[in-house]
Amino acid sequence: DAKTTQPPSMDCAEGRAANLPCNHSTISGNEYVYWYRQIHSQGPQYIIHGLKNNETNEMASLIITEDRKSSTLILPHATLRDTAVYYCIVRVDGATNKLIFGTGTLLAVQP
Amino acid sequence: GAVVSQHPSWVICKSGTSVKIECRSLDFQATTMFWYRQFPKQSLMLMATSNEGSKATYEQGVEKDKFLINHASLTLSTLTVTSAHPEDSSFYICSARDPKASPRSEQFFGPGTRLTVL
Repeated sequence: DAKTTQPPSMDCAEGRAANLPCNHSTISGNEYVYWYRQIHSQGPQYIIHGLKNNETNEMASLIITEDRKSSTLILPHATLRDTAVYYCIVRVDGATNKLIFGTGTLLAVQP
Repeated sequence: GAVVSQHPSWVICKSGTSVKIECRSLDFQATTMFWYRQFPKQSLMLMATSNEGSKATYEQGVEKDKFLINHASLTLSTLTVTSAHPEDSSFYICSARDPKASPRSEQFFGPGTRLTVL
């Protein structure tokens, strides 16, 4: 699975949009981009995933560049409860379905 | 969404004892579950893939005789930390995927088990 690069930390004001970037320049054509988050001392939570089209659900939007080498997770109106570590993971939908976590981005939403 | 539970949520044990952690899929049957370990301020590290009715697949560097995995039913996988030592103290997390969903569906994670070995 391709390697991802994320900034170690970001701050965001409460109520503003949080834009979390992820670089995956070695992504293959059949690899999906997944986003999970982990609130302190809890298990990770799925947010969203996509292949090449932009995706939106009730939690967030995922913008994938045309060359698929990077993506941005957007939380449209960040709240204090969105403070967490956000993980960008790239993987093929193979039989193993393993998720390999990188270091992620610690998003701190400030009041 | 689907729910995965873990028991216990935390455990303290003496060095040299064995500890069993349970992972259950509450509203779906999971042929495959995954076990992760997370040390403070670090990311999750995949330890092994638990397969129902067959042997677990361990990641490189993980001792299979130290971390015994049993996946005896479609809703339960157990991780036993044998002869635990203080360096095994960590946050253990399991996850599962609903096999009836698309292969591209998300994995559901348990709330984690905090193990402290004295």
